[in-house]
Amino acid sequence: EAQVTQNPRYLITVTGKKLTVTCSQNMNHEYMSWYRQDPGLGLRQIYYSMNVEVTDKGDVPEGYKVSRKEKRNFPLILESPSPNQTSLYFCASSSGTSGAPDTQYFGPGTRLTVL
Amino acid sequence: AQSVTQLDSQVPVFEEAPVELRCNYSSSVSVYLFWYVQYPNQGLQLLLKYLSGSTLVKGINGFEAEFNKSQTSFHLRKPSVHISDTAEYFCAVSDESGQGNLIFGKGTKLSVKP
Repeated sequence: EAQVTQNPRYLITVTGKKLTVTCSQNMNHEYMSWYRQDPGLGLRQIYYSMNVEVTDKGDVPEGYKVSRKEKRNFPLILESPSPNQTSLYFCASSSGTSGAPDTQYFGPGTRLTVL
Repeated sequence: AQSVTQLDSQVPVFEEAPVELRCNYSSSVSVYLFWYVQYPNQGLQLLLKYLSGSTLVKGINGFEAEFNKSQTSFHLRKPSVHISDTAEYFCAVSDESGQGNLIFGKGTKLSVKP
């Protein structure tokens, strides 16, 4: 089944404790992206990747890191989480060929709480 | 800069009534437009998209949307809603970078009551 998976689905942590949220897709997609969803703000893009070893900042990259060492994986790293990073996080992927926007397929989300 | 405005944050409606969720965008280049739906405790899934061609686009679950370039709108409609349509709906527009990024609106919560 074609899908985007994220782990963990729920995470409660404390300020300053490094964490990684994994994202994996099995559709051989080139484009991957991370969003955060906050009430009343919709989805805001954190980072995106056009292909392996190619990443770029979205609208709200501060406090986050990403890497794209393999095509299927796009982990989101919070090196020193803070309470304002408490949010619902979504990973998405699309075929992204020739730069034209294509349907983005979303993971189920990761609900992160930083105490 | 591009932006997407969803004019209603919440839309309550009775079952079997028609519904329209409004979306306006601003862009100085040709756009691609999308509507996504998020059911409770789930990720987003595509309802429909406009890339080119006919301005009336039909999607899943009986939804349709009309691209109106002069009014820079892409409103979503359904002639008769069901309880199961209760969800949050997001309008999105392609950004100007040509890299496949989408800019999302803040969402409209559709609540269908019996």
